[in-house]
Amino acid sequence: AQKVTQAQTEISVVEKEDVTLDCVYETRDTTYYLFWYKQPPSGELVFLIRRNSFDEQNEISGRYSWNFQKSTSSFNFTITASQVVDSAVYFCALSEAFDGSSNTGKLIFGQGTTLQVKP
Amino acid sequence: DTEVTQTPKHLVMGMTNKKSLKCEQHMGHRAMYWYKQKAKKPPELMFVYSYEKLSINESVPSRFSPECPNSSLLNLHLHALQPEDSALYLCASSLSGTSGSDTQYFGPGTRLTVL
Repeated sequence: AQKVTQAQTEISVVEKEDVTLDCVYETRDTTYYLFWYKQPPSGELVFLIRRNSFDEQNEISGRYSWNFQKSTSSFNFTITASQVVDSAVYFCALSEAFDGSSNTGKLIFGQGTTLQVKP
Repeated sequence: DTEVTQTPKHLVMGMTNKKSLKCEQHMGHRAMYWYKQKAKKPPELMFVYSYEKLSINESVPSRFSPECPNSSLLNLHLHALQPEDSALYLCASSLSGTSGSDTQYFGPGTRLTVL
């Protein structure tokens, strides 16, 4: 069965600190996709990144970086020099490739990590 | 333009009322989704429309009735709701809904309170 675990329920840091949000997933499929979404207090889920299972290259986008390691089934997210505006709930999610079933494309979300960045 | 819009932003309704939530996207996506999210929980999938046909219904009670008039619009009709249905209702869209590689783009949500 598919499962996403975000073991950190809440993290609190002071502005300018680096912070890493952990994500561990389980799947029996060889082709799958991993996502990170940010949900600020306003409620909208903002798409941050999509990674497919065949691409293990780390990605950097500004202060954000992602480390994908198939060997440990992890897809961790690091914010460098955190800012107050980074305060939000962050969700990691898993989706399996097209298999012709009705489950195609369903996102399996982790429980989310609440990040609080204090000034 | 990766925008999904939802109206209203907030809705308060009684248990005997009938109301509708609306969602719209103009990204040319052919799949649209309804999610329900309770406080401090991840979103839970309710319905998926792919090419204007209902493809997934996650055993949602019949007091929630989805409708997809065209590929850009998605409605959720509400009738005889219970207080436990109070939640944030999120709409999302994606390219086709038939591939796990599709990215789902979410709207800002409707905060529903049932009295």
